[in-house]
Amino acid sequence: DTGVSQNPRHKITKRGQNVTFRCDPISEHNRLYWYRQTLGQGPEFLTYFQNEAQLEKSRLLSDRFSAERPKGSFSTLEIQRTEQGDSAMYLCASSWREQFFGPGTRLTVL
Amino acid sequence: DQQVKQNSPSLSVQEGRISILNCDYTNSMFDYFLWYKKYPAEGPTFLISISSIKDKNEDGRFTVFLNKSAKHLSLHIVPSQPGDSAVYFCAAPAAGAGSYQLTFGKGTKLSVIP
Repeated sequence: DTGVSQNPRHKITKRGQNVTFRCDPISEHNRLYWYRQTLGQGPEFLTYFQNEAQLEKSRLLSDRFSAERPKGSFSTLEIQRTEQGDSAMYLCASSWREQFFGPGTRLTVL
Repeated sequence: DQQVKQNSPSLSVQEGRISILNCDYTNSMFDYFLWYKKYPAEGPTFLISISSIKDKNEDGRFTVFLNKSAKHLSLHIVPSQPGDSAVYFCAAPAAGAGSYQLTFGKGTKLSVIP
């Protein structure tokens, strides 16, 4: 286990479709985070899990966004009814203390 | 309201010279700061951090300075190397050194010229 992995790395979808991204954290990390990054901006916090508990989700961008972390291991981020404005890089990170980021999933909504 | 600000979108430095990247913050509750480096098509990589009980933290070629009264921190890279060319983000956690819910600046793109 060399780091945080994310799949897929790239996703192209049509407006209105649902998409799901997966994040596998570093195995000994109990915290997992999702961020979104758009061009020219820093990563923007979306949500956070400690083990399987989602402790902060008020920053999810709308009710079309949801995240899960069953069993406190991997996590999924789902976006329903995608819009063109959802096009961005979606980053996952895990931590004990400093957050270690995965390579991200780049979403393009046509 | 941007709580972490990096006012220089880009910086060019000659190889071997010092690179100084600056970051200002507005939230006086921030007490822990991190610097991340990001290459294209990769996620951010943790570089160095500093707690507000210190005013300096050093790790090899990288040193971070914190001026709490000015709400300012800076990252010094010396000597700069071409491999340091990347986007550098300053970040602070919303709830102290527990380091969750990071707030990032917009980043500074460093170009080290051979």
